[in-house]
Amino acid sequence: GNSVTQMEGPVTLSEEAFLTINCTYTATGYPSLFWYVQYPGEGLQLLLKATKADDKGSNKGFEATYRKETTSFHLEKGSVQVSDSAVYFCALEYGNKLVFGAGTILRVKS
Amino acid sequence: NAGVTQTPKFQVLKTGQSMTLQCAQDMNHEYMSWYRQDPGMGLRLIHYSVGAGITDQGEVPNGYNVSRSTTEDFPLRLLSAAPSQTSVYFCASSLWTGSSSPLHFGNGTRLTVT
Repeated sequence: GNSVTQMEGPVTLSEEAFLTINCTYTATGYPSLFWYVQYPGEGLQLLLKATKADDKGSNKGFEATYRKETTSFHLEKGSVQVSDSAVYFCALEYGNKLVFGAGTILRVKS
Repeated sequence: NAGVTQTPKFQVLKTGQSMTLQCAQDMNHEYMSWYRQDPGMGLRLIHYSVGAGITDQGEVPNGYNVSRSTTEDFPLRLLSAAPSQTSVYFCASSLWTGSSSPLHFGNGTRLTVT
């Protein structure tokens, strides 16, 4: 079936540290891949996406590259800020449905 | 522009009670969906709709009913609440299905069933 596996959190970093949140997927065919972010008390919002192999999605300093050979879509940011503290969800799309990973909590300390 | 509006924000039910979670969007989106969010499990799709009059089941539909009589509204009904339905519920909509149309989420309804 289709599924997404994310690294467990919470991930705690100091401000300006480098961030990687791992995401791997299992899917039939070639799904589109997404990262969504959830700030405290809010719903999810789209952070970035990639629709085919080797595509790189980017937004707000975050990047992720669609790697078909390793079935991965890892999220990276070169220098995190306290305001990046949130829950990050990796997701894949097939048919009319989105399948989400369990989410990774990121805490950034000043 | 309100986006996706969910009501209520919080609700406590006793086992066996019924209730309806409301969801409305003002963006003329064709696609609407309901998810539940549980710790360690991410979001799981309950039901979805690709347009007025059309609904379909997601991953965890048991115990929930939906209808889509208008483009704007997509209520979720719990017929007989159970403690296993304690969760945070999110409604989401998009212009259409597909990667070019991202989901817009409401702020959630936190439901506790005692």
